[in-house]
Amino acid sequence: QQQVKQSPQSLIVQKGGISIINCAYENTAFDYFPWYQQFPGKGPALLIAIRPDVSEKKEGRFTISFNKSAKQFSLHIMDSQPGDSATYFCAANNNQAGTALIFGKGTTLSVSS
Amino acid sequence: DTGVSQDPRHKITKRGQNVTFRCDPISEHNRLYWYRQTLGQGPEFLTYFQNEAQLEKSRLLSDRFSAERPKGSFSTLEIQRTEQGDSAMYLCASSFRQPMNTEAFFGQGTRLTVV
Repeated sequence: QQQVKQSPQSLIVQKGGISIINCAYENTAFDYFPWYQQFPGKGPALLIAIRPDVSEKKEGRFTISFNKSAKQFSLHIMDSQPGDSATYFCAANNNQAGTALIFGKGTTLSVSS
Repeated sequence: DTGVSQDPRHKITKRGQNVTFRCDPISEHNRLYWYRQTLGQGPEFLTYFQNEAQLEKSRLLSDRFSAERPKGSFSTLEIQRTEQGDSAMYLCASSFRQPMNTEAFFGQGTRLTVV
């Protein structure tokens, strides 16, 4: 059972455009929703994270939108740059209970210049 | 502290051989996680420790896999009688739990190729 479903699998965006990646989760006990960025040959690095008591969190060009009733959350990258080209993973866990992060399958983003 | 360190970065082994990977977490972190990542997939949880106690093991962790964290600091992951299906990136992550988990930091991984 895949607990975190991510889409699309790949995305091509022009420089300056908006990149949008979506995730849906099933476990209502999840209370922590991070996005990780991974470059080839590197480990994933935390980009931004949200908890379900807020509907949106913004850090620079990166925004998470969270819809608790729909059990969905998304990553928006504004003014996408070639340096944003990477694989992005959504994840979720029950942070209060201390469970491990469950990851989506990833989205490969290519930003064309 | 330079972050989570994993060794080796790459390992090529023949089918049937045993391999061992090491992870050194961020020093003050009491949680340590092992994940496996195959090409085009997200990291899949294998097991995690709080201090030296192994608290959870995934169904993915067959009896050929064993992990230890003997003194609550570094951890090792051993795969016995490797199979070609074990070829993957093995990622280690660490975090601090007091009482909630802080951000999980990942190492650069050990890429295992079984030939």
